[in-house]
Amino acid sequence: NAGVTQTPKFRVLKTGQSMTLLCAQDMNHEYMYWYRQDPGMGLRLIHYSVGEGTTAKGEVPDGYNVSRLKKQNFLLGLESAAPSQTSVYFCASRPRVNTGELFFGEGSRLTVL
Amino acid sequence: AQKVTQAQTEISVVEKEDVTLDCVYETRDTTYYLFWYKQPPSGELVFLIRRNSFDEQNEISGRYSWNFQKSTSSFNFTITASQVVDSAVYFCALSEIAGNMLTFGGGTRLMVKP
Repeated sequence: NAGVTQTPKFRVLKTGQSMTLLCAQDMNHEYMYWYRQDPGMGLRLIHYSVGEGTTAKGEVPDGYNVSRLKKQNFLLGLESAAPSQTSVYFCASRPRVNTGELFFGEGSRLTVL
Repeated sequence: AQKVTQAQTEISVVEKEDVTLDCVYETRDTTYYLFWYKQPPSGELVFLIRRNSFDEQNEISGRYSWNFQKSTSSFNFTITASQVVDSAVYFCALSEIAGNMLTFGGGTRLMVKP
């Protein structure tokens, strides 16, 4: 059972380059999330989606875009990467009924030079 | 808005010592969930416990115990007889039941030395 899968796991970019992180879940969850993790700051919410075709901003959305064209996939895009976006990115999902628990992917480490 | 504060950024103990990780939260909602997650050096997030705001009973699971006090908005986590394998970053988190988001504290890095 794959759960939540993130690709790629590691990526190095140069400033100004663009890239997309893909999150895929096979649990038929309605809600999906993108977080970034930085030392001492915990996990901060970038964007989230409550269903196919809908997205919303989280705590730190600037510099990122997202799309949820299919229920199982949630894409996080960086149009023009900056060194401040060097971070570990986590995707998560949960069902519509809020038991509270999120199911996390293994993380994607992005370095912007 | 909801907020979670973990004032201890780093704790170092010697194996077999007991250690308590503090968590203080803020929320305007009366119904919410509180969580603890563990992040070992390998990087994945491991769910440890969920507690809802209606249930203030303390919980014990093996060497782990949690103390939820609504009066002080705290949800502290105690590891008894710590082991080297407990070394990790621990996150406390809050989710309003009617809301869409899970808010994390900044994390506490626990180092257990042999």
